[in-house]
Amino acid sequence: GAGVSQSPSNKVTEKGKDVELRCDPISGHTALYWYRQSLGQGLEFLIYFQGNSAPDKSGLPSDRFSAERTGGSVSTLTIQRTQQEDSAVYLCASSLRSRNTGELFFGEGSRLTVL
Amino acid sequence: DAKTTQPTSMDCAEGRAANLPCNHSTISGNEYVYWYRQIHSQGPQYIIHGLKNNETNEMASLIITEDRKSSTLILPHATLRDTAVYYCIVRVPSRSNDYKLSFGAGTTVTVRA
Repeated sequence: GAGVSQSPSNKVTEKGKDVELRCDPISGHTALYWYRQSLGQGLEFLIYFQGNSAPDKSGLPSDRFSAERTGGSVSTLTIQRTQQEDSAVYLCASSLRSRNTGELFFGEGSRLTVL
Repeated sequence: DAKTTQPTSMDCAEGRAANLPCNHSTISGNEYVYWYRQIHSQGPQYIIHGLKNNETNEMASLIITEDRKSSTLILPHATLRDTAVYYCIVRVPSRSNDYKLSFGAGTTVTVRA
């Protein structure tokens, strides 16, 4: 399809384990974003990638969280030593920065449950 | 970003227009009004945005009051698939912050047959 693709759609892990979440943005979109949404809560910004610029990591809640974007396309969000409070839906979005309209196209998210 | 206030929930009859209000009394001159929605178990979906003129697209219409302190999202013919949480946010679409979206609780819209 032509939308943002995320995997896995669901992940259950034990406290203390590391997890990796993957995002495939829309082809041609130069900007990629990670957010998380806890149950019943609004959206929380995590990290932003734009082209070859240094990412904005200001939303990452702790140093257990990291993300990379290889080749300006696919991105991986890694959470080390997961905690129960990390349980949430992790959403990836992409956009055409050149349009600058604020339109973000979201994937369906990866639901993480830390036991 | 300016704060917005939306009703917690509203019901709408299928086939009728749904009018979703949003108050943003502290909006500044260069802030746009954006609407997104989130259908259960899906990611947020962009709907529409505007600065001061009314806007219309294939999904909805956005009516912004002359003083820009409030706006209304109109879904002209609501369907059951429009059941979702609708978020109104105001922000300046700039290179420095246009990705730092944060949604509040939004309005839970339930379309009933």
